[in-house]
Amino acid sequence: QVQLVESGGGVVQPGRSLRLSCAASGFTFNNFGIHWVRQAPGKGLEWVTVISYDGSKKYYADSVKGRFTISRDNSKNTLWLQMNSLRAEDTAVYYCAKEGGDYGEMGLDYWGQGTLVTVSS
Amino acid sequence: SSELTQPPSVSVSPGQTARITCSGEALPKKYAYWYQQKSGQAPVLVIHEDNKRPSGIPERFSGSSSGTMATLTINGAQVEDEADYYCYSTDSSGNRRIFGGGTKLTVL
Repeated sequence: QVQLVESGGGVVQPGRSLRLSCAASGFTFNNFGIHWVRQAPGKGLEWVTVISYDGSKKYYADSVKGRFTISRDNSKNTLWLQMNSLRAEDTAVYYCAKEGGDYGEMGLDYWGQGTLVTVSS
Repeated sequence: SSELTQPPSVSVSPGQTARITCSGEALPKKYAYWYQQKSGQAPVLVIHEDNKRPSGIPERFSGSSSGTMATLTINGAQVEDEADYYCYSTDSSGNRRIFGGGTKLTVL
């Protein structure tokens, strides 16, 4: 079955960096775009970034553009989110989520359980 | 504008019809999607491409879209449908995605 497992979360000081990982299994990883979505404590979902199936296209929310970088290694079925210059407002549970359908038209059909990032001094 | 607007809360009695709306300027040209999130859990896709239901989602869940508004309808809402519901779409560029602010559905 499809599984997405995030890791790498933790407590980090403002201004520092952290790298999240998302390990995928149960589907042909190199056929699908993958997203990161975050949720601050007690708040709603916020879309963060997406990477295309082959890594050639990447898009970011304005709130993270220039600070976060998404990447993937299709030989390892793994996705990463490099987060630099972290701010208190980046504190959230970070989910990776897989696109469904040939062109992502079916939405985010599978999600991981999330990893918590806390930015605090 | 790249915003999706939802009511903060909707409340119905069990067996009644719940309707959750989502308004956005890009919706006439972009599909709407709906996610259900129960407390402490990851979101689950319940409607894609305005009105299509993924396998495993009960038939009481349906979606529609007209003009700048998309609607999630739960016919005969059950207590287990209590959750936060988020609409989701693409901005006018077609590249970035956006979530609505979420609607807390109470069924009691």
